[in-house]
Amino acid sequence: DAGVIQSPRHEVTEMGQEVTLRCKPISGHNSLFWYRQTMMRGLELLIYFNNNVPIDDSGMPEDRFSAKMPNASFSTLKIQPSEPRDSAVYFCASSWGIQETQYFGPGTRLLVL
Amino acid sequence: DQQVKQNSPSLSVQEGRISILNCDYTNSMFDYFLWYKKYPAEGPTFLISISSIKDKNEDGRFTVFLNKSAKHLSLHIVPSQPGDSAVYFCAASVGGSNYKLTFGKGTLLTVNP
Repeated sequence: DAGVIQSPRHEVTEMGQEVTLRCKPISGHNSLFWYRQTMMRGLELLIYFNNNVPIDDSGMPEDRFSAKMPNASFSTLKIQPSEPRDSAVYFCASSWGIQETQYFGPGTRLLVL
Repeated sequence: DQQVKQNSPSLSVQEGRISILNCDYTNSMFDYFLWYKKYPAEGPTFLISISSIKDKNEDGRFTVFLNKSAKHLSLHIVPSQPGDSAVYFCAASVGGSNYKLTFGKGTLLTVNP
């Protein structure tokens, strides 16, 4: 079975540009999580969805960040406008339920110049 | 303020010996603890967990110990194998589940042949 799929794997962009990260969860999973990993703060939960509905976005750093899950097989994390401090690895994870083991994708490495 | 701390950024051990990875936490509300393993260019994968009602959980070569009074947990790998070389993340949650995990910054384990 395919695991969590993220695209792109690497993204280099210039400050001020819009960035869209994509995630396809494992089929049948109904919970989806977005994380950000930086050297300073480690791995942080940004937002999570249950049955395509955002449940908790308290980890989203600011209004420049937004996430959507239009259906059970696709989610996006958008940064607009992007800033150099957004440079990080962004992980998507999914699970059978909010309380079940999370399976992580390979991550998207974002560099904002 | 880091609620989950892994004070050793790296650890090097010989193949066949024991690896001990440590983790401290400050939030007394945490009642569920997990270890994840991460290889380069991959997402974290779940390794083992422990509930606060236990002080030990074992799965093959991996054992997690929990000392609630000291707010400390450790992961023992015996015997260590070169394939165990990876970054190990400690994580914790409130409510006895995988919901809303707080991660440490990780410890890079290198097992030398």
